[in-house]
Amino acid sequence: GAVVSQHPSRVICKSGTSVKIECRSLDFQATTMFWYRQFPKQSLMLMATSNEGSKATYEQGVEKDKFLINHASLTLSTLTVTSAHPEDSSFYICSARGRAGGAKAQPQHFGDGTRLSIL
Amino acid sequence: DAKTTQPTSMDCAEGRAANLPCNHSTISGNEYVYWYRQIHSQGPQYIIHGLKNNETNEMASLIITEDRKSSTLILPHATLRDTAVYYCIVRPNMRFGAGTRLTVKP
Repeated sequence: GAVVSQHPSRVICKSGTSVKIECRSLDFQATTMFWYRQFPKQSLMLMATSNEGSKATYEQGVEKDKFLINHASLTLSTLTVTSAHPEDSSFYICSARGRAGGAKAQPQHFGDGTRLSIL
Repeated sequence: DAKTTQPTSMDCAEGRAANLPCNHSTISGNEYVYWYRQIHSQGPQYIIHGLKNNETNEMASLIITEDRKSSTLILPHATLRDTAVYYCIVRPNMRFGAGTRLTVKP
């Protein structure tokens, strides 16, 4: 089945630093990638949607200058949390969806998430 | 964008079928229904999706009503490892609701 790899799985860093999270589709070309954030005991919250080669579309309330998304190739998207602060600590999850083929729409496949802790 | 509503929690006995309902009464004609599940501290796992016909794969069956306003995910023989939060979402929204916390009990 389709595999999405997310790296790193866990990161702990000091307040004020920037953190980059990578999301790769290993065995398919991801025309669309999604970034989510999940706080403890809550559901996933969609942060942004990105299509390869174009700017990401951010959800209302998500600061695009704070959460930089790059989707430069069909297999890689990155999320950079700039000048991270303790309130940015969360579980960040990416997903990828391949090009539509045949009569049925393609599902999105998720990475295993990155647990970010800002001290 | 179509929204979904699901029961907050359900219990199921091990070995029995688990039937998880989802209401998506505002779904549009070209929107698919997707089911995912999330086990604690992991990324969501794709289960199944469909448009209007019932679907079956090695994991589950998806029953979609004729008017497409609701659907049911069926795990035919639930095991303890099926304990998870199950999400029903509608493309192209791809936004997650609260989901249903399914607990499979021995």
